Amino acid sequence: AQKVTQAQTEISVVEKEDVTLDCVYETRDTTYYLFWYKQPPSGELVFLIRRNSFDEQNEISGRYSWNFQKSTSSFNFTITASQVVDSAVYFCALSELFGNKLVFGAGTILRVKS
Amino acid sequence: DAGITQSPRHKVTETGTPVTLRCHQTENHRYMYWYRQDPGHGLRLIHYSYGVKDTDKGEVSDGYSVSRSKTEDFLLTLESATSSQTSVYFCAIRATGTGNYEQYFGPGTRLTVT
Repeated sequence: AQKVTQAQTEISVVEKEDVTLDCVYETRDTTYYLFWYKQPPSGELVFLIRRNSFDEQNEISGRYSWNFQKSTSSFNFTITASQVVDSAVYFCALSELFGNKLVFGAGTILRVKS
Repeated sequence: DAGITQSPRHKVTETGTPVTLRCHQTENHRYMYWYRQDPGHGLRLIHYSYGVKDTDKGEVSDGYSVSRSKTEDFLLTLESATSSQTSVYFCAIRATGTGNYEQYFGPGTRLTVT
C-alpha cells in the first residue's frame, strides 16, 4: 500500500527565514508521481508541483524549491525567504502509474510571522 | 481556474437523512474524483470516475455512492448520513492526455451531520 508521511505537524517561522517541509513516502510501484499542494486559510487547494519517479532532478520556482531523493524516499519542499502569504497547510501526495488514486500526507501547517 | 464548482458549499443535515453533493465541471475532463478532508488525515479518496457511468472505489468508500450520467456532473450521495461523515468534501478533475497526472480541486463543501 502507498503511504505518505509528513512528520511536521506545524512549523512557525519569522518572515524571511528559510523553511523546509519534509515528506517521506512508501510505495512498491516503480513508476509513481509525487505532488505538493498548498491550502491557504481560504480553504482552496492549489497545485504546486508534480514529480515523476524517473526524474530526480531538483526543481526551483522562484522562492520555492523541491528536493526529490529516491534513495531516501523523500520529496522535501523548501521555501526561501518566507513571507506571511506563505502561511498555509501544505500537503504532499503520491499517486500510482495512472494518476487516479492520490494518497495524501496529513499536512504541515506553516505559520509565517511578521 | 479548472472550471469546477461544487454545490452546496455548506450544508447541515440530521443523522439518517440522505444527502447529495454535486460537482460540476465546464471543461469536459474525463476523470473526476471525490475526497474528504479531516484533521490529521489530509485528504482521502472516496470514489472516482473515469468516464460516464464508469466509477471505482477509493480508500474510504463505505457509506457513499456516486453517479455520473453526463461528463460534466459527478454526484456524491450519502444514503443515510452519520456524524462520522461530517467533513469537508472536495471534488477534483484530471485532464486526459499524456503527462496530465495532477488533479485540480473545486472549492469544497462543508457538511455537518448533527
